[in-house]
Amino acid sequence: RKEVEQDPGPFNVPEGATVAFNCTYSNSASQSFFWYRQDCRKEPKLLMSVYSSGNEDGRFTAQLNRASQYISLLIRDSKLSDSATYLCVVTVASGSARQLTFGSGTQLTVLP
Amino acid sequence: DAGITQSPRYKITETGRQVTLMCHQTWSHSYMFWYRQDLGHGLRLIYYSAAADITDKGEVPDGYVVSRSKTENFPLTLESATRSQTSVYFCASRGRGPTTHGYTFGSGTRLTVV
Repeated sequence: RKEVEQDPGPFNVPEGATVAFNCTYSNSASQSFFWYRQDCRKEPKLLMSVYSSGNEDGRFTAQLNRASQYISLLIRDSKLSDSATYLCVVTVASGSARQLTFGSGTQLTVLP
Repeated sequence: DAGITQSPRYKITETGRQVTLMCHQTWSHSYMFWYRQDLGHGLRLIYYSAAADITDKGEVPDGYVVSRSKTENFPLTLESATRSQTSVYFCASRGRGPTTHGYTFGSGTRLTVV
């Protein structure tokens, strides 16, 4: 079983739609949680951190359920520029450093 | 400009050759990481380093060697390249201390082994 699992998609949605991505993680010792965005053939970039209380950044809302080991990302009013792959990421302390563990990503295409 | 840079951006090499991918950061970050990204696997950790002269294996270290003689550099060497090592390689760094995040990635090296 992968440590971080995501629905790979692809999700094809019209502009203005609301889309939700889900992610589960297997290691209960996971400490920090993030959503990254990756554009085609480019490096991953941090989209937002995820907190148990839920957090919002403009059109993006992230939720964490530690009991269920479940993370979600909601994008409202989708824009063409939101087209990308969204990576669910957790950190676990291991060895000499906290390490990022990535899901395989969910591909989103926003259509005009 | 300050940042994290990888070189080369693209590399084609032959099976059995040794190849070194370079990673340089200007922030004096303590932690540096090497990931590879393949379709269907996402990013997987190869090696990481907590400081100069301290390195640890990640999830997929076989066939790779790293060194960290200086804080700012973290080269990744494929001792004898194989076709299965064709991938996109990303280097990342992170500072020490209380931070919720701080990871920054380089632009990647696209390696093809023929």
